[in-house]
Amino acid sequence: GAVVSQHPSWVICKSGTSVKIECRSLDFQATTMFWYRQFPKQSLMLMATSNEGSKATYEQGVEKDKFLINHASLTLSTLTVTSAHPEDSSFYICSAIETSGNEQFFGPGTRLTVL
Amino acid sequence: GDSVTQMEGPVTLSEEAFLTINCTYTATGYPSLFWYVQYPGEGLQLLLKATKADDKGSNKGFEATYRKETTSFHLEKGSVQVSDSAVYFCALSERTGYSTLTFGKGTMLLVSP
Repeated sequence: GAVVSQHPSWVICKSGTSVKIECRSLDFQATTMFWYRQFPKQSLMLMATSNEGSKATYEQGVEKDKFLINHASLTLSTLTVTSAHPEDSSFYICSAIETSGNEQFFGPGTRLTVL
Repeated sequence: GDSVTQMEGPVTLSEEAFLTINCTYTATGYPSLFWYVQYPGEGLQLLLKATKADDKGSNKGFEATYRKETTSFHLEKGSVQVSDSAVYFCALSERTGYSTLTFGKGTMLLVSP
């Protein structure tokens, strides 16, 4: 089946630093990828929609200068949390849609802890 | 806006017990409805779905019926196993073309031997 990976699976960083999270579709091409954020005991909140070769579309309330998204190829999207602060600590999950389909396939998530 | 409400967990059951996880939704149109499962350390996996009223989605012994009159999509399984322990998410999608999903908060299921 369609597999999506994320790297790293967890990361701890100091306040003020930037962190990059990668999302890869391993066995299919994905024109569209999504980035979600999940707080403990909360639902997944869509942050942005990433389309290959174009700018990401951010949901209301998500700072695009804070959460930089780059979808440079059909198999890779990256989320960079810039100048991270403790309130950015969360579980970040990506998903990808196969170019010819409409079902989302999810990555395993990345746990970010900002000290 | 769209929203999904699930029963809070954890739901704790003994093996072979009957499972129900309630899910209700609010949507302006006629959404597609989904149940996703997240096993520990893994990503979300689509468990089942239904795209119109009265459709029943089923997979791995799990079932859910799209009830438009009660705006519900409750998940059921007749006999749970320890391996079913996971977090279950109810979700809906209104957009066509690609599936933009609205999720519930998730319900943790713990099954003991």
